[in-house]
Order: sequence, then structure tokens, then C-alpha cells
Amino acid sequence: DIVMTQSPDSLAVSLGERATINCKSSQSVLYFSNNKNYLAWYQQKPGQPPKLLVYWASTRESGVPDRFSGSGSGTDFTLTISSLQAEDVAVYYCQQYYSSPFTFGQGTKLEIK
Amino acid sequence: LQLQESGPGLVKPSETLSLACNVSGGSITSSTYYWDWIRQPPGKGLEWIGSVSYNVNSDYNPSLESRVTISIDSSKNQFSLRLNSVTAADTAVYYCARRASSHWYFDYWGQGTLVTVSS
Repeated sequence: DIVMTQSPDSLAVSLGERATINCKSSQSVLYFSNNKNYLAWYQQKPGQPPKLLVYWASTRESGVPDRFSGSGSGTDFTLTISSLQAEDVAVYYCQQYYSSPFTFGQGTKLEIK
Repeated sequence: LQLQESGPGLVKPSETLSLACNVSGGSITSSTYYWDWIRQPPGKGLEWIGSVSYNVNSDYNPSLESRVTISIDSSKNQFSLRLNSVTAADTAVYYCARRASSHWYFDYWGQGTLVTVSS
């Protein structure tokens, strides 16, 4: 299984400031034949299912605000929120879909400082 | 597309957990999609259980494979999860979700249903 490890486990950021969440996979999730990283990011608010934010490591899902951006390749990835808004308080998960079993990071809880 | 889970909220230890996911706004018989189950114990992270696609073999997480069956009922446009020999460790919110065969990230999710294993 590919193990996904996120850091930090929790993060407190002031409104309007940048938030950065890291995700590391135990093996590369870059598929060389199409040069795509099989890595997604989800946002989960209390009592709700996860919501897809980013796929292919850096492609924003339709309707996701452009303050959310994903980057990285191979085994190291980052989700950045450029200017934190109150509605961004949530738990964020990375997920690899390179190979089955599909696995998630343990989650990063983002709060307002 | 909408996904909606249904089933008992309470299951006794050693019994079988059975859930269904009703798919509306799309056909479950399209081989373009995979239909998945994912669970989340209270206060914890997400665990992929397995998936099914029409006319394709199911795929299960090896950690649960011996106890899990996921199948499609095309007449009802729904898919189901059966998990046998449950214990308290199987207490979780169970989500159904969809993946496309062109990509494997989960783009649609149900709202989830809490299943508690307790006598």
C-alpha cells in the first residue's frame, strides 16, 4: 500500500494569511506514460462528506476558489490557501489514486488563529 | 448526479452490515464509472473499502477483503455494501462515492450514514 503522510496534523492561521499543508507519499504517484501525478486534495467540514478541491496534484475542481492551489510531483505535494477565509476552516486530506488500495493522508485540521 | 446511502444505523457484533447507495441523475450501468465505498470512524480519517463497476470485477481493500462484498443492482440503479462479522472497530460513517475510469479521484460523494456496531 502507498502510505500518505500529511504535515502538520493541525494548523492555525490568521484570516487573510497563507496556509500551507504538505503531503508525502511512500512511493511516487507520478505516472510516466502521461506525466500526471495521481494525487487529489479534499476539504471536509463537520458533518459533511469530503469535497474534491484539486486533482492531478494541481488542477482545481470546477467552482473551487482560486485561492486554493496544489503543487508538487513524485512524492511531495502541497496544498496552499493563499488568503485564508473563515469558510476555509475544515480538515484537509490528500489521496493517492495511483494504485489500489487508494489511500488518504491522516488529515490536517485548519483553524483560525 | 446524486448519491444517497441507506441502511440500518445499528448492527450487532458478529452480524452483517448491509448498506445501499442509490444513484440518481446517472446510470450505474455505464462502464465509464466505478462506484466506491469509503468509511470514516468517528473523529478519524478516511479508509477506502472497495469498488465495483458494471461488468467489471470488484476491487477491495486487502485489509477488509475477506469480509466485504460490493455489488450492483442495475434494476434499482444502486450498488450495495455487505461487511460481515462486524466488530466495534467497524463503527463509522460510511460514504458511497463515484470515480471515472478516465481518472480515479472521487468526484461525487453521498452524504454518508453512521453505522454503529453495538449489542
